[in-house]
Amino acid sequence: SAVISQKPSRDICQRGTSLTIQCQVDSQVTMMFWYRQQPGQSLTLIATANQGSEATYESGFVIDKFPISRPNLTFSTLTVSNMSPEDSSIYLCSVNSRGLATTLDTQYFGPGTRLTVL
Amino acid sequence: EDKVVQSPLSLVVHEGDTVTLNCSYEVTNFRSLLWYKQEKKAPTFLFMLTSSGIEKKSGRLSSILDKKELFSILNITATQTGDSAVYLCAGVNRDDKIIFGKGTRLHILP
Repeated sequence: SAVISQKPSRDICQRGTSLTIQCQVDSQVTMMFWYRQQPGQSLTLIATANQGSEATYESGFVIDKFPISRPNLTFSTLTVSNMSPEDSSIYLCSVNSRGLATTLDTQYFGPGTRLTVL
Repeated sequence: EDKVVQSPLSLVVHEGDTVTLNCSYEVTNFRSLLWYKQEKKAPTFLFMLTSSGIEKKSGRLSSILDKKELFSILNITATQTGDSAVYLCAGVNRDDKIIFGKGTRLHILP
């Protein structure tokens, strides 16, 4: 299985500011995924981050609001820009086992970042 | 539109009881079904199911998939307070897109 770490684990931010969340994986993976889980809701995919190309965003999410970087095969960042209280969520980084040296085909999640916007 | 529906949304039982969590799915080009346990933030992987009728077991937890009825169940026997969590079901399509259900919030009373 993959070991995924995220920073920060939690933060409280003011409306209108931006926060960058970092995700580090202990092995090289082709694709990294960013999810959001709003209070009481399920996980929603924000975007897929591929190394060396632009991230692919899901419907309802745009690059200006959630810029993503993917400088190498083990690291990615997600920025939540111009935050509002509606952005208060848990943000999760994830990788698929297809990008790892394993035959197990599943999705692994980082510990998450709990964001509260005042 | 692809969707995964879990039931019940919440469940409260006493320690030692057996519970069955349900998951129905409509996923185009379905490839597999995943079950996760989410206690605080990060979901932890429980099972991946790809074939109908083959039960997967891990201790007191077991799960099975019915690809004809587009349905899966997660059973937990002899529940313990540590089983209290949100259990998430997710369908995966052949493009590796994962569609999550809203989860079942399970609370075990001592």
